[in-house]
Amino acid sequence: DAKTTQPNSMESNEEEPVHLPCNHSTISGTDYIHWYRQLPSQGPEYVIHGLTSNVNNRMASLAIAEDRKSSTLILHRATLRDAAVYYCILNDRGSTLGRLYFGRGTQLTVWP
Amino acid sequence: GAGVSQSPRYKVAKRGQDVALRCDPISGHVSLFWYQQALGQGPEFLTYFQNEAQLDKSGLPSDRFFAERPEGSVSTLKIQRTQQEDSAVYLCASSLSGGWKSSTDTQYFGPGTRLTVL
Repeated sequence: DAKTTQPNSMESNEEEPVHLPCNHSTISGTDYIHWYRQLPSQGPEYVIHGLTSNVNNRMASLAIAEDRKSSTLILHRATLRDAAVYYCILNDRGSTLGRLYFGRGTQLTVWP
Repeated sequence: GAGVSQSPRYKVAKRGQDVALRCDPISGHVSLFWYQQALGQGPEFLTYFQNEAQLDKSGLPSDRFFAERPEGSVSTLKIQRTQQEDSAVYLCASSLSGGWKSSTDTQYFGPGTRLTVL
């Protein structure tokens, strides 16, 4: 299973931007970078994914390093509802199965 | 909304009892996954179905765990002779596609079933 490294926890104030880092130095050329988050007492939910280029959607932005060995999930204005565990996951495009390998993720605390 | 639903949401079992956990995926989704999440940990893969075919059961921790999806929609995860170490949240997820596209599809998760074995 492909490995990612994330900080155990991060904190932010409400309405400030948040940059959540992820290292994946052993990423292969066919690995997509996925981010999911898990709010308390809920199942994980999809946030964003990308392969090489930076990606934006209504929830967040994903910045991918040129060598693809690291990436950053950017929440442009944190809200209290963004307090969750954020998981950075590599998923092999060549796989026929799509199973996700979750690590322990980053616990994001948002202060009012 | 027509998301993934799981039942029951909470289950308490005495050690040695059998339990059955149900997952209703999003209608039309080909792929279905089961994950196990211990307290304070990330979810861990248990098994994968493409329609009714169980293509990967490598994550099932023992032969006491059994999953089925007989008609390619609803799935049941059964645990026989439950043990205390089976206590966890069991998550079900579905995604639209199967095959080679499944690795890029979004997985939609249910709220999970919290199993407590006494």
